[in-house]
Amino acid sequence: AQSVTQPDIHITVSEGASLELRCNYSYGATPYLFWYVQSPGQGLQLLLKYFSGDTLVQGIKGFEAEFKRSQSSFNLRKPSVHWSDAAEYFCAVGSFSGGYQKVTFGTGTKLQVIP
Amino acid sequence: KAGVTQTPRYLIKTRGQQVTLSCSPISGHRSVSWYQQTPGQGLQFLFEYFSETQRNKGNFPGRFSGRQFSNSRSEMNVSTLELGDSALYLCASSWEGPTDTQYFGPGTRLTVL
Repeated sequence: AQSVTQPDIHITVSEGASLELRCNYSYGATPYLFWYVQSPGQGLQLLLKYFSGDTLVQGIKGFEAEFKRSQSSFNLRKPSVHWSDAAEYFCAVGSFSGGYQKVTFGTGTKLQVIP
Repeated sequence: KAGVTQTPRYLIKTRGQQVTLSCSPISGHRSVSWYQQTPGQGLQFLFEYFSETQRNKGNFPGRFSGRQFSNSRSEMNVSTLELGDSALYLCASSWEGPTDTQYFGPGTRLTVL
């Protein structure tokens, strides 16, 4: 069974500081990996995704993530956080097997940005 | 193009009642997935429909059901509501399925009293 762990429930960073959100997954084969963001009162929006190729993935809004197979991790990073980045971030792992597609989400990390 | 729309946005029901939620996907998308979001559990997968067929189902009781119409619009139904069904219900549409980029609607906030 696939699973995702986001060990940090809540993170606070200062505006302009760098950000790293952690994500660890469990899946036997090469997974699909995603980061989604949810702003208050909104649905989720895809930031970036990885399936194959370059292990450093660039996404929207200046975010990037790096797939590290040896550590089963897919951490999200941003070099300089803006106040508008305050939101909840979800890591997800997906699989495609026998015609069935399944995506499992982590429990999310809430990001607070202070001036 | 128009995004994913969900109606209604808010619902208040009492225990034992049933409820139907609606989701209109992005035009051309054939896959619609439903998720339940609660503070303690995060997003839990309910089911996925593709071209009117349920392709996958999560670990929810049979009180939760859904369907998809020929225009890809989808509905989910919860019968015999329980207090624990209070949640934000999100639907997401995509071209091919959940491993494709999913576009989420704003959700329906269901409160069961």
